[in-house]
Amino acid sequence: AQSVTQLGSHVSVSEGALVLLRCNYSSSVPPYLFWYVQYPNQGLQLLLKYTSAATLVKGINGFEAEFKKSETSFHLTKPSAHMSDAAEYFCAVSDPTGRRALTFGSGTRLQVQP
Amino acid sequence: KAGVTQTPRYLIKTRGQQVTLSCSPISGHRSVSWYQQTPGQGLQFLFEYFSETQRNKGNFPGRFSGRQFSNSRSEMNVSTLELGDSALYLCASSSGDSPTEAFFGQGTRLTVV
Repeated sequence: AQSVTQLGSHVSVSEGALVLLRCNYSSSVPPYLFWYVQYPNQGLQLLLKYTSAATLVKGINGFEAEFKKSETSFHLTKPSAHMSDAAEYFCAVSDPTGRRALTFGSGTRLQVQP
Repeated sequence: KAGVTQTPRYLIKTRGQQVTLSCSPISGHRSVSWYQQTPGQGLQFLFEYFSETQRNKGNFPGRFSGRQFSNSRSEMNVSTLELGDSALYLCASSSGDSPTEAFFGQGTRLTVV
């Protein structure tokens, strides 16, 4: 069974500040991990994915995430927040066969203050 | 390359009615998954179709059903609508192979009154 925990349903940062969104996973097999972003009334857009290659994954819009097996974590970071980063972010886990559904965390709403 | 298209974008139905939602995946993708998103339950997996066969199923009642056609387009049907079925229904398209990367449509916002 797989599960994802996102710590903090709301995160607020100032424009230009570091963004850190936390994700911890539980999986009985080596997982694939994803971060998605959702803007209001929109679908989900893939930011980045970890598929057992490099543990530091770079994504779109300046985001990156590091897979830490010992901590079962896959936290999302961005060095400098922009106003346009305000959205809801979802961490998701999948098994490596790709034949199971994504299991999503509950989401973290990011607010960026001017 | 066209993205995932879901129709309609918005829908209002009355309790007890049934509804059909449509999803056209990215060209060449054989897997279509459906998710329900609500403020209380978050994103929950409904089912996945791969090459016209249901490959995975979530924990939803039988009122929720789906199908996939030979061109990979998929439909989702909800019968005997309940107020609690009000949600954003998202469709995701993927190749279905490993590693998988799902591309989401913009969703259909269903309101049951």
